[in-house]
Amino acid sequence: DGGITQSPKYLFRKEGQNVTLSCEQNLNHDAMYWYRQDPGQGLRLIYYSQIVNDFQKGDIAEGYSVSREKKESFPLTVTSAQKNPTAFYLCASSPLRGGSYEQYFGPGTRLTVT
Amino acid sequence: AQTVTQSQPEMSVQEAETVTLSCTYDTSESDYYLFWYKQPPSRQMILVIRQEAYKQQNATENRFSVNFQKAAKSFSLKISDSQLGDAAMYFCYLLDSNYQLIWGAGTKLIIKP
Repeated sequence: DGGITQSPKYLFRKEGQNVTLSCEQNLNHDAMYWYRQDPGQGLRLIYYSQIVNDFQKGDIAEGYSVSREKKESFPLTVTSAQKNPTAFYLCASSPLRGGSYEQYFGPGTRLTVT
Repeated sequence: AQTVTQSQPEMSVQEAETVTLSCTYDTSESDYYLFWYKQPPSRQMILVIRQEAYKQQNATENRFSVNFQKAAKSFSLKISDSQLGDAAMYFCYLLDSNYQLIWGAGTKLIIKP
């Protein structure tokens, strides 16, 4: 089955620790995205990548880092510099050719930092 | 700067009735795409409907249709014969030809049985 996987579904960390959220897609999409969603709020873009080994900051990149070493994978690291990391994180991918451009989303990771 | 505005934080509708969710946007681009996504309590984001700006015909997907008014920069979503499973957050989303993307803040739709 084609799709996007995020793991784990729930993640708990102590304050001061870095944590990496996984995102893998087998849809052969060029673009991948990371979003943060707080309770009752919309999606805020953290980082996105349109090609391997290249990525751009979104609206709230401070305290986060990403890599794109493979087309299929776009992990997000939440660093200790992120002041309020507890949130729901969504990964998405989309084609950049073919006229569709819709984003396909993973199931999300709920991160709790105490 | 591009913006997407959903002016209704919450809407409610009686089951089997019709409801319209509003979305207005601002962009200087002439070529762009508009989308409505649904996020049910499971939090999985699901594409509802897509509209290409160059197409004059309004998109339709079963009970879901849009009223796309390009000159007015309006992109409302109409849900006919509302069902309990339609209860969700609905997000409007714009993608322009430079791959700039803007999400609306969302509208919570409540279905009354």
